[in-house]
Amino acid sequence: EAGVAQSPRYKIIEKRQSVAFWCNPISGHATLYWYQQILGQGPKLLIQFQNNGVVDDSQLPKDRFSAERLKGVDSTLKIQPAKLEDSAVYLCASSLSRSYEQYFGPGTRLTVT
Amino acid sequence: DAKTTQPTSMDCAEGRAANLPCNHSTISGNEYVYWYRQIHSQGPQYIIHGLKNNETNEMASLIITEDRKSSTLILPHATLRDTAVYYCIGEDSNYQLIWGAGTKLIIKP
Repeated sequence: EAGVAQSPRYKIIEKRQSVAFWCNPISGHATLYWYQQILGQGPKLLIQFQNNGVVDDSQLPKDRFSAERLKGVDSTLKIQPAKLEDSAVYLCASSLSRSYEQYFGPGTRLTVT
Repeated sequence: DAKTTQPTSMDCAEGRAANLPCNHSTISGNEYVYWYRQIHSQGPQYIIHGLKNNETNEMASLIITEDRKSSTLILPHATLRDTAVYYCIGEDSNYQLIWGAGTKLIIKP
């Protein structure tokens, strides 16, 4: 069974630029999560999708972050414009449904200079 | 805020049992405790979860105290590949995982 795929693995941008991350979850997983993990900290949930609907985006900085999950499969997370404090690893995870174990992708390491 | 507290770091000798403690005195009676681990430069990996009873799977055992205020994750025969950050995680009423900073476990030869 293929795992959660993410791309790119690394990205370096200047502040005020835009960036987008892509995630392909495990086939059949209805729930998809985006997390932000700052160095030395545990992951922080940004947004959770159930199929193509948003379940929780309470910690998503909506003035600059956006996410979508068209057709309930792949998802993209966008930052526009980026700030220095956005430097982090962005993790995508999926699960069969809410409350089931989550499977994580390798993450995208973003550096904002 | 995280619902769990863990030591910042621990060492364990290769081949010995690694016992990782976690305090979760504020979790409610119907909230599970989850354990994940994160090997350097990888995404987190699910290990085990439990509610009241002790649990065991091919990776680890989870011992939960009767009052549910703490638990211990046991890796029975630690190997060098078990070096990672181990997260003890509570959940909120919406099944969202509340992550802390975890315990950095170093397995020494």
